[in-house]
Amino acid sequence: ERVMTQSPATLSVSPGDRATLSCRASQSVSSNLAWYQQKPGQAPRLLISGASTRATGIPARFSGSGSGTEFTLTISSLQSEDFAVYYCQQYNNWPLTFGGGTKVEIK
Amino acid sequence: EVQLVESGGGLVKPGGSLRLSCAASGFTFSSYNMNWVRQAPGKGLEWVSSISSSSSYIYYADSVKGRFTISRDNAKNSLYLQMNSLRAEDTAVYYCARDQCSSTSCYYFDYWGQGTLVTVSS
Repeated sequence: ERVMTQSPATLSVSPGDRATLSCRASQSVSSNLAWYQQKPGQAPRLLISGASTRATGIPARFSGSGSGTEFTLTISSLQSEDFAVYYCQQYNNWPLTFGGGTKVEIK
Repeated sequence: EVQLVESGGGLVKPGGSLRLSCAASGFTFSSYNMNWVRQAPGKGLEWVSSISSSSSYIYYADSVKGRFTISRDNAKNSLYLQMNSLRAEDTAVYYCARDQCSSTSCYYFDYWGQGTLVTVSS
């Protein structure tokens, strides 16, 4: 099983600042990695697939990078609506696995 | 507009059974792999099960294998999850989620339902 580890668990950021979230896989998942955003009481929302391809309607301030075992989600200038929990998910191998999440909170 | 609406959640005693349903609309259901993902209260996301568009391929998390059964009825645009031998640790919101890719398999999820809460408690 590919264990996905996200860091940090909580990230305190001021609006307008840049946020960098990390996701590490215990073994290579190639570029088969997705990122989701989840707000309280809502279902997750797909942000990124293929490690770096933004989903439809996702603003350009969200970008993904990495391959193999190290991945990064960057939010270039945090807007108020971006404060949420972010999850990575690998779909290279069964079972599909999610990271534990990074909560982005207002500093 | 793509819509996924789960139903069937509720309170059940340990060892009991429950059947979840997910009604899909706004897309060609029979062309997409479908999935169940759960989230325990205050916890992260956990993949539960996936089924291919024609039901040819089915996958389960080890935590539910042998107890849960995923199925679909393409004529009714519906996805199901039969849950037997339920345990306290199965308590979670269960989401139905669509695989983004229609002509191939992706197994990441572009549309999610609102979720249905399953509580396993005596």
